[in-house]
Amino acid sequence: QLLLQESGPGLAKPSETLSLTCAVSGASISSSTYYWGWIRQPPGKGLEWIGTVYYSGSTSYNPSLKSRVTISLDTSKNQFSLRLRSVTAADTAVYYCARRAQVMGIRLPFDYWGQGTLVTVSS
Amino acid sequence: DIQMTQSPSSLSASVGDRVTITCRASQGISDYLAWYQQKPGQVPKLLIYAASTLQSGVPTRFSGSGSGTDFTLTISSLQPEDVATYYCQKYDSAPDTFGPGTTVDIK
Repeated sequence: QLLLQESGPGLAKPSETLSLTCAVSGASISSSTYYWGWIRQPPGKGLEWIGTVYYSGSTSYNPSLKSRVTISLDTSKNQFSLRLRSVTAADTAVYYCARRAQVMGIRLPFDYWGQGTLVTVSS
Repeated sequence: DIQMTQSPSSLSASVGDRVTITCRASQGISDYLAWYQQKPGQVPKLLIYAASTLQSGVPTRFSGSGSGTDFTLTISSLQPEDVATYYCQKYDSAPDTFGPGTTVDIK
């Protein structure tokens, strides 16, 4: 059974860096089959794709966030992380980590999601 | 970048009604289209991928169709437990953009 669990501070100050970690159990983040991603959802609003990281370390980011985002892997701990710099109140959201697969060259969507963690940006 | 739109933004229907939600991509995405269901206070759940393939465990009253730019999600007989917001998502290539969502409730 695959489980993903987000962790990190629930409060960030404006202009600082938001840092979250997603611990993965039941699958190896070093597998070439999977991509690991972050999605966020501001209170009362829709879903926004932030980006993904592949086992090789290659990344894809939402163009609207690209200048501020870094997603990285920690294979020793089987977890991956999100860093979002220079946050403002507009970055207040529930942040989800999730997994998607690529099988025989065919991309698949996010099928496993963490429970999400609310991060509030406020002084 | 490809933009995703959904219509309607919300709908209200009676139990047993057939419900259809439309998703449109600004450019062709083949069949790289997923539908998610998010019930109030819950995590999004994958319902359909590859435009029409039902995810394991999803009730068969849900179905998807379409290819290219125009897609639909159909609930053949609306049930009370289907009250939720439904999102489409393109995943052909980054960015994997979500649609704005369609909220379904019971009349």
